Amino acid sequence: AQSVTQPDIHITVSEGASLELRCNYSYGATPYLFWYVQSPGQGLQLLLKYFSGDTLVQGIKGFEAEFKRSQSSFNLRKPSVHWSDAAEYFCAVGADFNKFYFGSGTKLNVKP
Amino acid sequence: NAGVTQTPKFQVLKTGQSMTLQCAQDMNHNSMYWYRQDPGMGLRLIYYSASEGTTDKGEVPNGYNVSRLNKREFSLRLESAAPSQTSVYFCASRKREGTGELFFGEGSRLTVL
Repeated sequence: AQSVTQPDIHITVSEGASLELRCNYSYGATPYLFWYVQSPGQGLQLLLKYFSGDTLVQGIKGFEAEFKRSQSSFNLRKPSVHWSDAAEYFCAVGADFNKFYFGSGTKLNVKP
Repeated sequence: NAGVTQTPKFQVLKTGQSMTLQCAQDMNHNSMYWYRQDPGMGLRLIYYSASEGTTDKGEVPNGYNVSRLNKREFSLRLESAAPSQTSVYFCASRKREGTGELFFGEGSRLTVL
C-alpha cells in the first residue's frame, strides 16, 4: 500500500539556520512527489513538485527538494530559514489515477 | 483570482444534524476532491470526482455523501453528524490527472457537539 512518512512531528530551528525536513514514501512505481506548506488557518500551498528528470527541484520561497530513488526519499531543504517560514509542511505522493497520499506533517518553529 | 472557494468557513452542529459544505472552483479543472484534516493524521481523502457526473470513494467515505453538481461545484454532505466528524475539511481541484498538483481552498472548520 502507498504511504508517506514524515518522521519529525515538530522541528525548531533558529532564524538564519539551514533546514531539512524528511519525507519517505512507499510506492511501487515512479511517484509524483509534492511538498505543500500550510500557514495557520489557511489552505495548503504548493512549494514544489517532482515528476521526472533532474532529481533536485527548486520551488518557491527559496525551498528545494531532492528525490532519491534508492532511499525512497524526497527531503525538503532551505539554506537559511526566515521567521515567516514557520508553518506546517506536508509531503505528498501522487499515485494511481487520482489519488494523493499525504504525510502527517511537520510543524516548523523558527526561533528569533 | 478566486481559485477554490469553500463555504461555510466555520460551522457548529449538534449530533444528528445534517449540513452541506459547498465548494466551487473557477479554474476549469476536471477533478475535485474533499479531504479532512485531523491533528497528527495529515489529510485523508473522503471522496473525489474525476469529472462532472462521476464520484468515487476515498479512504474515509463513511458518513458522507457528495454531489458533483457541474464542472465548477462539488459539495459534501453530512446526513447525520457525529462528534467523530469534527475536523477541518478541505476542498481541492486538479487540472490534469497524473502530474497535476492539487489546488486547495482555505478550509471549513466543523465542530459536532
